Formats: sequence, C-alpha cells, structure tokens
Amino acid sequence: AQKVTQAQTEISVVEKEDVTLDCVYETRDTTYYLFWYKQPPSGELVFLIRRNSFDEQNEISGRYSWNFQKSTSSFNFTITASQVVDSAVYFCALSEWNGGYNKLIFGAGTRLAVHP
Amino acid sequence: DAGVTQSPTHLIKTRGQQVTLRCSPKSGHDTVSWYQQALGQGPQFIFQYYEEEERQRGNFPDRFSGHQFPNYSSELNVNALLLGDSALYLCASSSGQGNEKLFFGSGTQLSVL
Repeated sequence: AQKVTQAQTEISVVEKEDVTLDCVYETRDTTYYLFWYKQPPSGELVFLIRRNSFDEQNEISGRYSWNFQKSTSSFNFTITASQVVDSAVYFCALSEWNGGYNKLIFGAGTRLAVHP
Repeated sequence: DAGVTQSPTHLIKTRGQQVTLRCSPKSGHDTVSWYQQALGQGPQFIFQYYEEEERQRGNFPDRFSGHQFPNYSSELNVNALLLGDSALYLCASSSGQGNEKLFFGSGTQLSVL
C-alpha cells in the first residue's frame, strides 16, 4: 500500500535558522512522483516541487532544497535561512503512475513556525 | 488569470442534511479532483472528474457524489451529512492526464452540527 509519513508534527525555529522537514514514503511501484506542497493559513495548497522516481538529482530553488534518496525512500525538504513568511503547514505527497490518474496521497503534514 | 475558485467559503449544516460545493478550475484545465482535509490531517482523495465522468475514486461512501459540467466546473455533493463530514473540502485542477502538478483552491470549510 502507498503511504507517506511525516514524523515531525510541529517544528519551531527562530528566523534565519535552517530547518529540514522529513518525508518517508512507501510504494510498490517503480514509477511514481513525489511532491511538496505548502499550506498557509488561507488554506490553499501551494505547489513547491515535483520529482519523478527516475530523477534522484537534488534540487535547489532559492532558499529551498530537496534531497531525494530512493535507497531510504525519503524526500526531505530543507529551508535555508528561514523567514517568518515560511510559517505554514508543509505536506509531502506521493502519486503513483496508474494510467495517468494523478491521485495524490498526502502525509499528515508538518507545521512550521518561524519566530522573529 | 484566475486560479481555482471554490464556493462557498464556509458552510454550516446539521446532521442528515445535504450539501453542494462548487469549484471552477484554473483556466485551461480540464480535470478536477476533490479532497477532504480533516483538522490536523493531510488531504484525502475523494474522486476525480475528466470529460464529465468520474474516472477515479478514493475510499469514500456513495453519500459523496460529484458532477462535472461541459465548462469543466464541478460540484461535490454530500448526502445524509454526519458529524464526521466536518472538514475543509479542497478542489484541485490540472490539465489532462499525467502526474502534472495540481492547483488547489482555498477550500470550503464545512461544519456539521
């Protein structure tokens, strides 16, 4: 069965600290996609990144970086020099290739609080 | 370019009632998915509509039904509401098939009393 585990329920940091959000997934498929979404208090889920299972290259986008390791089934997300605006709930999600249907399986989320 | 819009924003119903939630996808998108997000949890997939047909469904009872219109907008209907149906209902749109990124609306907060 497919499953996404985000073991950190809440993280609290002070501005400018680096923070890593953990994500571990389970799937039997060899082809799948991994996502990170941000959910600010407004409720809307904001897309951050998508990786497919064949691309293990780490990615950096500004202060954000992602570390994908198939060997440990992990897709961790690091925010460098955190800012108050980063405060939100972050979700990791898995989508298996099942004929083109992009059904996402979400983890329970990690609530990040960045304090000034 | 408007993103995904959902209405209403908030809704209060009582047990046993029926509710209809509405979603307009992002311009250019033809696929609409619905998710239920209980408090403190991640969103759970309800179903997905493409070309006016339900093409995939999650583990939700038949009380949850939907519809997609020719203009790609969609409705989610829930019958015989239970207290446990209280949640944020999120609509997401995407273009065609494939694992493209989903664009989400801000959701409808449903409270069942």
